[in-house]
Amino acid sequence: LAKTTQPISMDSYEGQEVNITCSHNNIATNDYITWYQQFPSQGPRFIIQGYKTKVTNEVASLFIPADRKSSTLSLPRVSLSDTAVYYCLVGDSDSGYALNFGKGTSLLVTP
Amino acid sequence: GAVVSQHPSRVICKSGTSVKIECRSLDFQATTMFWYRQFPKQSLMLMATSNEGSKATYEQGVEKDKFLINHASLTLSTLTVTSAHPEDSSFYICSASIRGKSSGNTIYFGEGSWLTVV
Repeated sequence: LAKTTQPISMDSYEGQEVNITCSHNNIATNDYITWYQQFPSQGPRFIIQGYKTKVTNEVASLFIPADRKSSTLSLPRVSLSDTAVYYCLVGDSDSGYALNFGKGTSLLVTP
Repeated sequence: GAVVSQHPSRVICKSGTSVKIECRSLDFQATTMFWYRQFPKQSLMLMATSNEGSKATYEQGVEKDKFLINHASLTLSTLTVTSAHPEDSSFYICSASIRGKSSGNTIYFGEGSWLTVV
């Protein structure tokens, strides 16, 4: 499984756009990139998934360059409730990318 | 998104006893379910992968005789912690895999279950 590298922590103010970049140099052809959000004492929540280029949904955008060796989760206009740990995972569709979680990025949003 | 439910959300048991945690996919059939353990301020650690109707595949270092996993139906998997000890106290999370029509598998997580062994 492709190993991922993310910043350990990030800080932001309310209303700002936050971009969290994940490196996955060994991503395989069949791998998808998926981001999850986790609050304390809760299970991770699916945010967004993509394979290439750009994906957007109601909560975030995911930017994936052509070489797919990295991806950037973009959270527009964050609020205090976006304070959480964000995990980037990669894996192929058949295995369901068993999900070997890295350390994630702890995002702190302050007023 | 798909809903995965865990029960109980919190459980306290005495050392040496066994405790069962249930994981259900409420609105979809999950051929594959995963069990994780998470200690405070740490990341999730995959314990095992279970496929409906077959034996679970355990990650290295996870005792299969201690953490019994049963996946008897497409909507239910159970984790039984046998002869629990205080060091087994942790947050246990299950997840279920659903195949998208035009994308890779997406995995949805339960709410997690806090186990405290006293």
